[in-house]
Amino acid sequence: DAKTTQPPSMDCAEGRAANLPCNHSTISGNEYVYWYRQIHSQGPQYIIHGLKNNETNEMASLIITEDRKSSTLILPHATLRDTAVYYCIVRVAGGNAGNMLTFGGGTRLMVKP
Amino acid sequence: GAVVSQHPSWVICKSGTSVKIECRSLDFQATTMFWYRQFPKQSLMLMATSNEGSKATYEQGVEKDKFLINHASLTLSTLTVTSAHPEDSSFYICSARDPGGGSDYTFGSGTRLTVV
Repeated sequence: DAKTTQPPSMDCAEGRAANLPCNHSTISGNEYVYWYRQIHSQGPQYIIHGLKNNETNEMASLIITEDRKSSTLILPHATLRDTAVYYCIVRVAGGNAGNMLTFGGGTRLMVKP
Repeated sequence: GAVVSQHPSWVICKSGTSVKIECRSLDFQATTMFWYRQFPKQSLMLMATSNEGSKATYEQGVEKDKFLINHASLTLSTLTVTSAHPEDSSFYICSARDPGGGSDYTFGSGTRLTVV
């Protein structure tokens, strides 16, 4: 799986948009970009994933650059409960159920009142 | 959506004893489950891949005789930390993917192990 680079930490004001960047310059054509988050002392939670088109769901939006070498996860209106470590992972989707997730350092997002 | 249940959520044990952690897929069958370990302020590290009906695959540096994995059914994998020592104190997390429910992985809530 391709390696990702994320800033170790970010702050965001409550109610404002949180934009979390991720670089994945060695991503392969068949690799998707996945985002998970881990709230303190809990298991990771799936947020969103995409291949090349921008994606949006009830939790967040994912913006992938045209060259696919980087992406941004957007939490449109951050709340205190969004304080967590956010992991950007690139991997091949579906296929063999044995494909595991490899976690990097992630970005520790602190949402402040 | 897919749910993975992990039990217990926390456990304290004495040095030298063994502890078993259970991971269950509640509404799907998982031929493969994954076990991760996470030390404070660090990321998740994959320990092993649990395969139903066959031996687990361990990552480099993980002692298979110390971390026993059993995946005897399509909905249950167990991790037993044998002869636990204080350095085994960590947050253990399991994960599985529902083959029929999309391509994302579901994680258990984790088990906080403290060895005293």
